[in-house]
Amino acid sequence: QVQLVESGGGVVQPGRSLRLSCAASEFIFSNYALHWVRQAPGKGLEWVALISYDGKNNYYADSVKGRFTVSRDNSKNTLFLQMSSLRPEDTAVYYCAREMYGGLLRGYLDYWGQGTLVTVSS
Amino acid sequence: QSALTQPASVSGSPGQSITIPCTGTSRDVGGYNQVSWYQQHPGKAPKLIIYDVTKRPSGVSNRFSGSKSVNTASLTISGLQSEDEADYFCKSYTTNSTLYVFGTGTRVTVL
Repeated sequence: QVQLVESGGGVVQPGRSLRLSCAASEFIFSNYALHWVRQAPGKGLEWVALISYDGKNNYYADSVKGRFTVSRDNSKNTLFLQMSSLRPEDTAVYYCAREMYGGLLRGYLDYWGQGTLVTVSS
Repeated sequence: QSALTQPASVSGSPGQSITIPCTGTSRDVGGYNQVSWYQQHPGKAPKLIIYDVTKRPSGVSNRFSGSKSVNTASLTISGLQSEDEADYFCKSYTTNSTLYVFGTGTRVTVL
């Protein structure tokens, strides 16, 4: 069964940095684009970032562009989200999710992790 | 980038059908067929239930169906059941600088 397990969340002060990880298993990791999606407490879903299957192409939501960097290590089946200059409005559960069509970017997320909570507060 | 517009809540009795609209613009919903829908139960990760506007992933009940007219996509749940109580989000590709946009979300209540 496909598994995605996020880690790295926690409480961080405004302006500081944090790196999230997403460990994948039970599928050919290097064949699939991957997304980050976040959900502020009690709020809706917000698409955050996308990385292509080979890591060569990245896309970001306007709200995080220039502050967040998505990357991947295909040798370790792991996805990352480096978050810097964090703001209180970045407080959310962060999910990693798999692109259903693999290398074809359609934004259809067929498997999700359980999420990791990031709280930005002084 | 503004979120796609959904009603905050929709309710129905068991066995009834309900429809959740998702309104966007020609730059997203109206211009492309890259619309998907997600179901989210409290405290759980979202689940893909519709993609390519009308298609269902394997294992998703055929009580869920999708459609689109101009700038509005819709999710219909037929034969409403108690386990359908959840939040539902639409999602679309957009030509705005943000690549994808979610809807505001709809809470479905089974009376």
